[in-house]
Amino acid sequence: EAEVAQSPRYKITEKSQAVAFWCDPISGHATLYWYRQILGQGPELLVQFQDESVVDDSQLPKDRFSAERLKGVDSTLKIQPAELGDSAMYLCAILGRGGSYNEQFFGPGTRLTVL
Amino acid sequence: GQQLNQSPQSMFIQEGEDVSMNCTSSSIFNTWLWYKQDPGEGPVLLIALYKAGELTSNGRLTAQFGITRKDSFLNISASIPSDVGIYFCAGLPPSGTYKYIFGTGTRLKVLA
Repeated sequence: EAEVAQSPRYKITEKSQAVAFWCDPISGHATLYWYRQILGQGPELLVQFQDESVVDDSQLPKDRFSAERLKGVDSTLKIQPAELGDSAMYLCAILGRGGSYNEQFFGPGTRLTVL
Repeated sequence: GQQLNQSPQSMFIQEGEDVSMNCTSSSIFNTWLWYKQDPGEGPVLLIALYKAGELTSNGRLTAQFGITRKDSFLNISASIPSDVGIYFCAGLPPSGTYKYIFGTGTRLKVLA
């Protein structure tokens, strides 16, 4: 069973519209990450949660992006308004637990296209 | 944000050949992870390394945690067409923040 589910898998929107992405990890993972990945590049961290608290959002464009993890399990990432340059893959990841405590597992991602 | 140096940037090889790629940093890491990413999918974890000098295998893949703790290597033996994809390294600094730094990726193409 996949550790992390993400939805939607694909999203096409027009600029200035609002979009939201959802991440649902198997419960018990305290640390959750949102990354943005531009085509051909490595993932770049947007925000890191420890339970329901944000521990790092230094790279999150806070004028238009917001993220929350209200109950410390699933999480949402929102963009309002979307801009052309936001077209990218948005990845959610969790830090493993138990024997894989330093291992980071990614979800399948949401591919966003802004027209 | 900061990204690790990964080389080569891309490589074309014949099926059956061995592949080597590496990742280097100017600072030390406590953990190295290697991922493979297919188009339109999220990265899939291949190998995790926890100690300097550690050599770990996963099938035809072998990865090593460099002695200096500033580099890591991934080898793929007897490549097959499904090895095609982008390989990323990720390093975890000893800062306690659990904030991984990713490499720039190595794009592998296998010619049958």
